[in-house]
Amino acid sequence: DTAVSQTPKYLVTQMGNDKSIKCEQNLGHDTMYWYKQDSKKFLKIMFSYNNKELIINETVPNRFSPKSPDKAHLNLHINSLELGDSAVYFCASSQWGNNYGYTFGSGTRLTVV
Amino acid sequence: KQEVTQIPAALSVPEGENLVLNCSFTDSAIYNLQWFRQDPGKGLTSLLLIQSSQREQTSGRLNASLDKSSGRSTLYIAASQPGDSATYLCAVNSGNTPLVFGKGTRLSVIA
Repeated sequence: DTAVSQTPKYLVTQMGNDKSIKCEQNLGHDTMYWYKQDSKKFLKIMFSYNNKELIINETVPNRFSPKSPDKAHLNLHINSLELGDSAVYFCASSQWGNNYGYTFGSGTRLTVV
Repeated sequence: KQEVTQIPAALSVPEGENLVLNCSFTDSAIYNLQWFRQDPGKGLTSLLLIQSSQREQTSGRLNASLDKSSGRSTLYIAASQPGDSATYLCAVNSGNTPLVFGKGTRLSVIA
């Protein structure tokens, strides 16, 4: 009964490929996020969706395209992967406007070779 | 733009010591402050959540305080154990903006 689950856990791929990461939450939250943790372990927001609508899009290359088919799912598709995309990507969820904090998934370690 | 700073960046203590991790943020109009723990190669585990109207929260050997007006929070760990070794992350969110993280404090507790 994992609260926020991401698949795959590990992803190794070649430069130029296209890949997707999936995230699902069973907490009934209405807001989901993608964060990127770089090689220096710094976590930075990429996207935020509330009720399937994009509400935050930080300065992320157009090669990254999130998609939220429903409130419980937020997927991340990455085109034309580059070496610099290697990082750990974390999905998180929260309930908009309440004070119960964020719940994070266990992360997807993406390695581009 | 909110910025979160954590001091020290790394800390090594002998087992049994009490210790304090510091977090400061530039915009005091926060909604929540959350402390997380991250073990190497693992995800984030939420430790404590302090709402903006609260001054502190406690869970077992952990106590987190919040001083909104000065933009500071501390995480106090009592009687540290080797199992406490991890990176501790402080994060704040302000209304409609998502959690902004500090760079973390890497804690090593030596047996």
